[in-house]
Amino acid sequence: QAGLTQPPSVSKGLRQTATLTCTGNSDNIGNQGAAWLQQHQGHPPKFLSYRNNNRPSGISERLSASRSGNTASLTITGLQPEDEADYYCSAWDSSVSAWVFGGGTKLTVL
Amino acid sequence: DVQLLESGGNLVQPGGSLRLSCAASGFTFSSYAMSWVRQAPGKRLEWVSAISGSGGDTYYADSVKGRFTISRDNSKNTLYLHMSSLRAGDTAVYYCAKLPRYYFDSSGPGDYWGQGTLVTVSS
Repeated sequence: QAGLTQPPSVSKGLRQTATLTCTGNSDNIGNQGAAWLQQHQGHPPKFLSYRNNNRPSGISERLSASRSGNTASLTITGLQPEDEADYYCSAWDSSVSAWVFGGGTKLTVL
Repeated sequence: DVQLLESGGNLVQPGGSLRLSCAASGFTFSSYAMSWVRQAPGKRLEWVSAISGSGGDTYYADSVKGRFTISRDNSKNTLYLHMSSLRAGDTAVYYCAKLPRYYFDSSGPGDYWGQGTLVTVSS
């Protein structure tokens, strides 16, 4: 099954900006964009955004998503301690007609 | 508020069977497709199976096809996953997720997720 590629870890300071990336191909991110999920240790995933920057109600405006070609990005501005979590990207893959996930990026707020 | 509560996870021997349940509330259950996604210890999320709002359409990952069966009882607002011929590689936390539309499609991987239930396959 196809998968997406994310850097294992990113570390940034308090109130700084972090940009998390997710690389796929033309069957997934390049075709439909990516969704982003946040998972705190020991908790279930939480849906953050889909198709570039559609955020559910209640999700912080400090988060914004974008896409360039086969790479999706999630930018978090003004980092807060509660932003420290694992972030997963996900995309619909037309070659398998299913959702595929990245390996996750652990964001550390210093 | 949308709530999803999984149950049924347990320790089972290789080759055994197990049925997971997901009790849903806070939305019109029959109007939305539902999905199961699993996460093995220290591994990435993996989509397992999905079912349309009526239950008439089902979908499976190749890794579980022929061994797992997804179903739903809309009168009880409950989603199920019957797992058989279990292997060590099926060990994971299993999450149920509400999908954004009636059908399983590209509209989203899950806008609400349950807390998960742990399935351990070991002798």
